[in-house]
Amino acid sequence: AQKITQTQPGMFVQEKEAVTLDCTYDTSDPSYGLFWYKQPSSGEMIFLIYQGSYDQQNATEGRYSLNFQKARKSANLVISASQLGDSAMYFCAMREGWGVIQGAQKLVFGQGTRLTINP
Amino acid sequence: DAGVIQSPRHEVTEMGQEVTLRCKPISGHDYLFWYRQTMMRGLELLIYFNNNVPIDDSGMPEDRFSAKMPNASFSTLKIQPSEPRDSAVYFCASSLSQKPRNEQFFGPGTRLTVL
Repeated sequence: AQKITQTQPGMFVQEKEAVTLDCTYDTSDPSYGLFWYKQPSSGEMIFLIYQGSYDQQNATEGRYSLNFQKARKSANLVISASQLGDSAMYFCAMREGWGVIQGAQKLVFGQGTRLTINP
Repeated sequence: DAGVIQSPRHEVTEMGQEVTLRCKPISGHDYLFWYRQTMMRGLELLIYFNNNVPIDDSGMPEDRFSAKMPNASFSTLKIQPSEPRDSAVYFCASSLSQKPRNEQFFGPGTRLTVL
């Protein structure tokens, strides 16, 4: 079974609009972390935001926020006031376990969503 | 601070040749990861190290692939012999386990083309 599912292969959004990128995950481990990375056309992977399974508040980093719905196992990325530079591939990833537990540092990535911002 | 450094950035080789990819992690990081990215399979973890010791190599596709980390500041991924299906972007990433979120920092990648 897929551990990370990103159901939107591509999205097109007008500049300045907010956009939500979907991510659902599957784990039976109570301790896990969820990450979003951005991959622009230049190819590098850029860390955007992190949510821990025990975090009480939704994570925010500037224009990025994470809509964490634990019971639904979803961790959607919200980008407010989108900009042309936000056009990129976006990957959701999960780490199961914690700390130095064997395997706890492994990340499993979804297939990604290609976001295009139109002027 | 310097990020993760990978070399070469691009490599074009012929089938059957040996390929060596290099990585310098961020100083002080104790975990190092090698990933492969293709259109068909997405981003796959190949192997990762903790304090220079390989922890999990279950993602290494076959015996043609090997990875080493002789010290805390250097790692190699070797493919011998290379095949056209090895063409991909190979990323190295590092992380620091003591940080609460342990995010992985990725290098720029090596784009490998095997003809």
